[in-house]
Amino acid sequence: AQKVTQAQTEISVVEKEDVTLDCVYETRDTTYYLFWYKQPPSGELVFLIRRNSFDEQNEISGRYSWNFQKSTSSFNFTITASQVVDSAVYFCALSGAGSSGGYQKVTFGTGTKLQVIP
Amino acid sequence: SQTIHQWPATLVQPVGSPLSLECTVEGTSNPNLYWYRQAAGRGLQLLFYSVGIGQISSEVPQNLSASRPQDRQFILSSKKLLLSDSGFYLCAWSVVLLFEQYFGPGTRLTVT
Repeated sequence: AQKVTQAQTEISVVEKEDVTLDCVYETRDTTYYLFWYKQPPSGELVFLIRRNSFDEQNEISGRYSWNFQKSTSSFNFTITASQVVDSAVYFCALSGAGSSGGYQKVTFGTGTKLQVIP
Repeated sequence: SQTIHQWPATLVQPVGSPLSLECTVEGTSNPNLYWYRQAAGRGLQLLFYSVGIGQISSEVPQNLSASRPQDRQFILSSKKLLLSDSGFYLCAWSVVLLFEQYFGPGTRLTVT
């Protein structure tokens, strides 16, 4: 069974501070994919990044960066110099392919609500 | 580019009434389609997914059903709504089952 844990329920930071959102996952799949989504107050989930289990390179996109560590089963997300527009709920998610190649439905974490205070 | 539409945006229905939520995708062929429900606690629950016309996989047994009458159309239905059906319903699509999903704007359903 798959599991995604986002232990941080809510985080508040002052604008321009850096913030890291934690994500820990569990899976028995040999091939799996990790994702981050952003859900602003409007409600629509926005895809941010996909990482596959074979690629542990860190990713940077503007103020966003992701740290994937297979050894600790973590896929953390850092926002540098946070802005008010970053205020949203962020979800980490996991999907996998079992050894027989069968589809394992995507599992979402419970989300971390980030509030950036001006 | 691909676009996903959902309607209605909000819905208030009495207990016991039927439900029909529609989702359509533009700009892609043979997408994988999904229905999720998000309750007040923010967690996302996968309800159904479909890999093709008429092919529906149910993840959670309940009084909801889904249908895919056309390649890019996905419908969520209920014959009789329960109070517990209230929530935010999201439709999504993906190119590959394992890859990222792209979500619609959602329907906020309140059952009274």
